[in-house]
Amino acid sequence: DTAVSQTPKYLVTQMGNDKSIKCEQNLGHDTMYWYKQDSKKFLKIMFSYNNKELIINETVPNRFSPKSPDKAHLNLHINSLELGDSAVYFCASSQGRGRLSSYEQYFGPGTRLTVT
Amino acid sequence: QKEVEQNSGPLSVPEGAIASLNCTYSDRGSQSFFWYRQYSGKSPELIMFIYSNGDKEDGRFTAQLNKASQYVSLLIRDSQPSDSATYLCAVTFLIDKAAGNKLTFGGGTRVLVKP
Repeated sequence: DTAVSQTPKYLVTQMGNDKSIKCEQNLGHDTMYWYKQDSKKFLKIMFSYNNKELIINETVPNRFSPKSPDKAHLNLHINSLELGDSAVYFCASSQGRGRLSSYEQYFGPGTRLTVT
Repeated sequence: QKEVEQNSGPLSVPEGAIASLNCTYSDRGSQSFFWYRQYSGKSPELIMFIYSNGDKEDGRFTAQLNKASQYVSLLIRDSQPSDSATYLCAVTFLIDKAAGNKLTFGGGTRVLVKP
């Protein structure tokens, strides 16, 4: 039933570790996104994939590497975690590109990452 | 730098009153405008979208768009305590023809509806 799902919901880890977050959508959408929401609640786009192709790559440290095995899945791997990576990471999906309605995005429940 | 600006609030509204939220954006070419509601500890939820100048009503929500003045607003009529949340304005900006558009979010306006 869940439209956009993420695992895990909570992630507590130490500095220097490597971790992954997984996202899946069953809406049949072509485009998926990763957002970061920091403690000040600003929601910033990190990456966007359309049909497994990377189309948006914001100024994000290359310790962050997204991977899209198919258009229903988008994972985020983070190497050498730092204190400043602590945030809530949201996955989202939308129909695709080209039409005005293509950008209606639907969000997953979020993954709260805490780096100690 | 493409920007979306919102007053952070909190906007305190008595129950039953109208809550009025405003959002301005920097790119005259933007074409798609969205309002999301985010409860504390939850994910953003799409509540309204508007693509043309004028008003669009959906239940107790009305979105208003004025492209000439580059602002979009959200009215919540008959505000209820359950409307207490942060409301995020989101606007599409064209990156380039290959990449298409990017959705940029404002910082959000926190709304408190008091019984």
